[in-house]
Order: sequence, then structure tokens, then C-alpha cells
Amino acid sequence: AQKVTQAQTEISVVEKEDVTLDCVYETRDTTYYLFWYKQPPSGELVFLIRRNSFDEQNEISGRYSWNFQKSTSSFNFTITASQVVDSAVYFCALSEANTGNQFYFGTGTSLTVIP
Amino acid sequence: GAVVSQHPSRVICKSGTSVKIECRSLDFQATTMFWYRQFPKQSLMLMATSNEGSKATYEQGVEKDKFLINHASLTLSTLTVTSAHPEDSSFYICSGWPGRGNEQFFGPGTRLTVL
Repeated sequence: AQKVTQAQTEISVVEKEDVTLDCVYETRDTTYYLFWYKQPPSGELVFLIRRNSFDEQNEISGRYSWNFQKSTSSFNFTITASQVVDSAVYFCALSEANTGNQFYFGTGTSLTVIP
Repeated sequence: GAVVSQHPSRVICKSGTSVKIECRSLDFQATTMFWYRQFPKQSLMLMATSNEGSKATYEQGVEKDKFLINHASLTLSTLTVTSAHPEDSSFYICSGWPGRGNEQFFGPGTRLTVL
């Protein structure tokens, strides 16, 4: 079973629009960590955020914000006023305390921001 | 965050040859290193997990005799693709885990093309 689901394979938005990337996870652990990474065309993974399971506070960093809801097992990522430089593939990942440091990646969402 | 380097960043080789990819943790000691493979428009797939001084643990379906992993020190792991074939062409990413916490630090990736 897929532990991390990113249902949106590809999204296109026009510059300055807001866009939300969905991430749904599955775990039986009470202690776990969720991550978002950006992968631009160069291929290098860029770390965006880490959130542990005990911290449900939403986070905002500039134009980026994250909505963590344990009740729906979701960790969605919103980009406000999107820019062309935001075009990339975005991965959501899960790490469970019981499986140590193993990462489970979602299938990724390819975001294209059209100028 | 901690830095992981990979060398080379790109390699093109002929079918049947072997290719070695290096992964180094530059400012931390990586108790565990992971090797991932990513095909175009797909997610990262874990190939193997290696602990310093131990034999690597390979994921199901990954041929250990074809993908040789050596983790001789806490800052260096190598992946050797033996007798490479065109189907081995892919983007290979390593990551290091410092032995605490649940975050992995990813290298920039190596793009392998086998002709």
C-alpha cells in the first residue's frame, strides 16, 4: 500500500495564482515526520519543510504555507502568488519513528507556472 | 543543513562497462547512507541502505551483484553499476543520515546514460 499519496500528477497555473499541492499519508505510528521537497529540472532535491506528528500548527514561510491535519492524514502545501521559478516537481515524504530513518516518497506533483 | 556531494554529476558510458558513483557527506558523519534511483517522471525508489562497515541491505528487486555498494567510512559510500546496460540509465541519488533525528540529507544526484 502506498504510504504517501500525491493524487495530483501535474498542475498548471498562471503566474500569480495560488496553488495547493495535496499530500495524504498513511501510518500506524504515533510518532512520524512529514517532509516536502522541491525538485527543479536540475534534479537536486531542495528541502522545504519538516513537520513532526506532534506539531499540528500550520506554517508559513514567505509565499509557502503548509496545512497539517492529522484528522484527515493530510499535509498540504500552498504556494501563494506563484512564480515561474516555482515550476518543479514537488515530493511529499514520510518517515516513521518505528522504521527508523527510512523515507517513503509520494509520486510527486509536477507544477508548471505559466508566465 | 548538512551537505552531501555526489561525483560525477553526469556520466555517459558504453554498454557493458562499469561505472562508480561516489557519495560524500561533507560536514557530518553519515551512519547510514541510502541510494535511490529515479526514472524520468517517476518518484525516488530506494535501492539499498548501507551502514558504515556493513554489507548493504538491498530492496526487493534490486540486484546486489549488479549494484555494488561500499560504505567504507562514515563520510563516503560508493555505488558501482557493473556491466551497465541502457535500462540502467537513470538518475541516482544518495542521501546520508547522521545517526539521529529523522531527516536524510540528499546529494545532488548523478545522471547515468548508458549507450
